Amino acid sequence: QSALTQPASVSGSPGQSITISCTATSSDLGGYDSVSWYQQYPGKAPKLLIYDVNNRPSGVSNRFSGSKSGNTASLTISGLRTEDEADYYCASYSTTGIVVFDGGTKVTVL
Amino acid sequence: QVQLVESGGGVVQPGTSLTLSCAASGFTFTSFGMHWVRQAAGKGLEWVAVIWYDGSYKFYADSVRGRFSISRDNSKNTVYLQMNSLRAEDTAVYYCAKEVSSSSFGDSWGEGTPVTVSS
Repeated sequence: QSALTQPASVSGSPGQSITISCTATSSDLGGYDSVSWYQQYPGKAPKLLIYDVNNRPSGVSNRFSGSKSGNTASLTISGLRTEDEADYYCASYSTTGIVVFDGGTKVTVL
Repeated sequence: QVQLVESGGGVVQPGTSLTLSCAASGFTFTSFGMHWVRQAAGKGLEWVAVIWYDGSYKFYADSVRGRFSISRDNSKNTVYLQMNSLRAEDTAVYYCAKEVSSSSFGDSWGEGTPVTVSS
């Protein structure tokens, strides 16, 4: 059972902003400052969007932003586009050295 | 540019073994930890294992600990995943991914290699 929970699906219209939450349910996730977010299209490898809560790798659009409040991390997609329709995963390192993924959120652009 | 190429996947019977390889290029391999992540058909991502840049530490998901072993050959820029006592539930596409820092990974991924465990 994942120690991270997020909604199974989130939808929005083009141009809108949506937020995907990711809540840590286990104290093993420590300070929860090692949250990363990934985007995945069907049949493709994941792509890193955000690391260490709110850092964007080079080349990732600034429409993607990350934040954290307490035990809940969030990924916000601003100016939603049709190409943002994909699966999104959060992951975090635990205090024991392992990594935990959540179950993923399917984003639908209406 | 960074390139990760997995190989070694295939169809095997339950209880047997298989070793996956991930050949890396385009970065200083000896400076980064490497991860394996898998994904069963229609399911989410499942982290499998990590090995530190120098091989000094290895960590495993509960679901594979004691059956899988991660290793690396820094002279060959290659990371391996030896999978023993394979089960049907190990059927998945296996990806290798490069560490970003000690607290994040995945700025580069391979295309994945499929493993099917079936009798």
